[in-house]
Amino acid sequence: NAGVTQTPKFQVLKTGQSMTLQCAQDMNHNSMYWYRQDPGMGLRLIYYSASEGTTDKGEVPNGYNVSRLNKREFSLRLESAAPSQTSVYFCASSEALRGRSNQPQHFGDGTRLSIL
Amino acid sequence: AQSVAQPEDQVNVAEGNPLTVKCTYSVSGNPYLFWYVQYPNRGLQFLLKYITGDNLVKGSYGFEAEFNKSQTSFHLKKPSALVSDSALYFCAVRDGNSGGYQKVTFGIGTKLQVIP
Repeated sequence: NAGVTQTPKFQVLKTGQSMTLQCAQDMNHNSMYWYRQDPGMGLRLIYYSASEGTTDKGEVPNGYNVSRLNKREFSLRLESAAPSQTSVYFCASSEALRGRSNQPQHFGDGTRLSIL
Repeated sequence: AQSVAQPEDQVNVAEGNPLTVKCTYSVSGNPYLFWYVQYPNRGLQFLLKYITGDNLVKGSYGFEAEFNKSQTSFHLKKPSALVSDSALYFCAVRDGNSGGYQKVTFGIGTKLQVIP
């Protein structure tokens, strides 16, 4: 059981380049998330998808776009990378985000992105 | 708005001694509280959660957490620390009363260092 799989694991970009981070989960979860992790700032939510067919902005959505391709896959795109987007990006999934759902999130191992 | 505070950037404890990692929270409704652990170059892993019921919650790897409603705290504890417990620990909260979509808010993390 792979859980949440993120690709690539590492990437170096030049300012202005674009790229897409891929995420797939095999737990039949409804909700998926993208976070960035920066020293001293913890985890900040970029975008989330409460269910297939919906996406919503989180705390720090500027400079990013997302696509919920199907129930399994949720991608994050940087259209024009900036040095401030250097970070570790985590994808996560959970059974549901609605109402009294109390299930934890399951995380991938991250993509380490450096923008020069 | 909901929030989580982890007041200690780092906690040092000798192997075999009891450990405590502190967390306080703020939420308008009933709190759903979670602890996660992150090992180097890995994603977050779920340890335990409090939803309702007993104030002492037991989780993975011998960890437990004590919910205190009057102090709005949810401290993580372990009776005897192991060197392998050295990692980054995150507390998280969401509002359990919400009927809509409510995101999880994470603390900034506490680094636990267990000294041999």
